[in-house]
Amino acid sequence: AQRVTQPEKLLSVFKGAPVELKCNYSYSGSPELFWYVQYSRQRLQLLLRHISRESIKGFTADLNKGETSFHLKKPFAQEEDSAMYYCALMRTGTASKLTFGTGTRLQVTL
Amino acid sequence: KAGVTQTPRYLIKTRGQQVTLSCSPISGHRSVSWYQQTPGQGLQFLFEYFSETQRNKGNFPGRFSGRQFSNSRSEMNVSTLELGDSALYLCASSLGDRYHEQYFGPGTRLTVT
Repeated sequence: AQRVTQPEKLLSVFKGAPVELKCNYSYSGSPELFWYVQYSRQRLQLLLRHISRESIKGFTADLNKGETSFHLKKPFAQEEDSAMYYCALMRTGTASKLTFGTGTRLQVTL
Repeated sequence: KAGVTQTPRYLIKTRGQQVTLSCSPISGHRSVSWYQQTPGQGLQFLFEYFSETQRNKGNFPGRFSGRQFSNSRSEMNVSTLELGDSALYLCASSLGDRYHEQYFGPGTRLTVT
C-alpha cells in the first residue's frame, strides 16, 4: 500500500527565509505527486503537481524517485504563505484517489 | 463558476443514528470523491463516484456508503454512527481524468455524541 510521510507538524520560519516542506512517499509504481494548501478559513486547494513542473506563488517541488521524495521549496517566505500544506500521492490507474500526508503547518513570522 | 457545495455544513447526531451528507459538484464535473478528515488519521479517501458508478473505494467499513445521481450530485450515508465517526467530511469534484484538478468543498462537520 502507498504511504505519504510529512515529518514536520509545524515549520516556523522568518519572512524572507528559505522554506522547505518535506514529503516522502512509499509506492512501488510510478506515482503522481501533489501539494495541496489550505489557508485559514479557506478550502483545500491544489498548489502544484509534479507533472506540471510549474512554479506557483514562488513554490517549486521536484520529484526525486531515488529518494522517494517530493519536497516543497520556496527561496523567500512571505507572510501570506502561512497555511497548512499537504503532500498527496495518486497511484497509476486510480484517477481521483488521493493518499494524503498528515500535513505541515507553515508559520511565517516577521 | 460556482464552486463545490456541501450541505449541511454542521451536523450533530447521536450514536446509533444514521446520517446523509450531500455534495454538489462544479457544473460539468462527473467525478465526486469523498474524504474523511480527523485530527488523528488526517485526510482519508472514502470513495469516488464517476457517472453514477463507484470507481474507487477506500478502506472504510460498509457502514459508509454513497451514491451519485444523474446530475452528478452525490450523497454519502453513514449508518449506525459511532463516536469515532466525528470528523470533517470533504467532497471534491473533477472532470474525472487523472490529469484534471480536484476541487474541494468546504466540508461538513459531523459530531457524534
